[in-house]
Amino acid sequence: EPEVTQTPSHQVTQMGQEVILRCVPISNHLYFYWYRQILGQKVEFLVSFYNNEISEKSEIFDDQFSVERPDGSNFTLKIRSTKLEDSAMYFCASNQGVGAEAFFGQGTRLTVV
Amino acid sequence: QKEVEQNSGPLSVPEGAIASLNCTYSDRGSQSFFWYRQYSGKSPELIMFIYSNGDKEDGRFTAQLNKASQYVSLLIRDSQPSDSATYLCAVNEGYQKVTFGTGTKLQVIP
Repeated sequence: EPEVTQTPSHQVTQMGQEVILRCVPISNHLYFYWYRQILGQKVEFLVSFYNNEISEKSEIFDDQFSVERPDGSNFTLKIRSTKLEDSAMYFCASNQGVGAEAFFGQGTRLTVV
Repeated sequence: QKEVEQNSGPLSVPEGAIASLNCTYSDRGSQSFFWYRQYSGKSPELIMFIYSNGDKEDGRFTAQLNKASQYVSLLIRDSQPSDSATYLCAVNEGYQKVTFGTGTKLQVIP
């Protein structure tokens, strides 16, 4: 069964450093997403991406965040200068169309120290 | 701020019983509604999706949608201990953004 894959599963970084989280969405999906979940809190939408550009973003997705689809398979989230409060699980998701069910990757646990 | 509300629980049901999970949402324009299951430390796993008013059944799961009341629910029949997890209600808001509720923790007691 096709699945969304994310790497790494766990990333520890020092405050102020840049991190790149990687995702390989399901191959025939057209829409890609990043969500985050701070420990004990709800899943929060960060950004959606379609046709090589951001289609929607939340207020959380400020200038320190960026997304990119560098090739035909990978979808990345970059956090430019990490803060302690960026520590969370980051989930990548993809789906086939607007309003369709989205499938989540297993997540990357980001710990900023 | 558009909201998706769920009772955080825990909701405890005996094995074999029906578990009923509820969710309300604030955006009247929402068209797509999802239930995800999340085990501790794991990613959300899609259980059901529903777009139209009424009931949708898939195995032991039934999703119910009432757009007039802005209410969506999930029934789990013949609950099993393996169903113990947090159930996330998610609602499509706007074009692609999906807003999640805080989740209801379900405990199925053997």
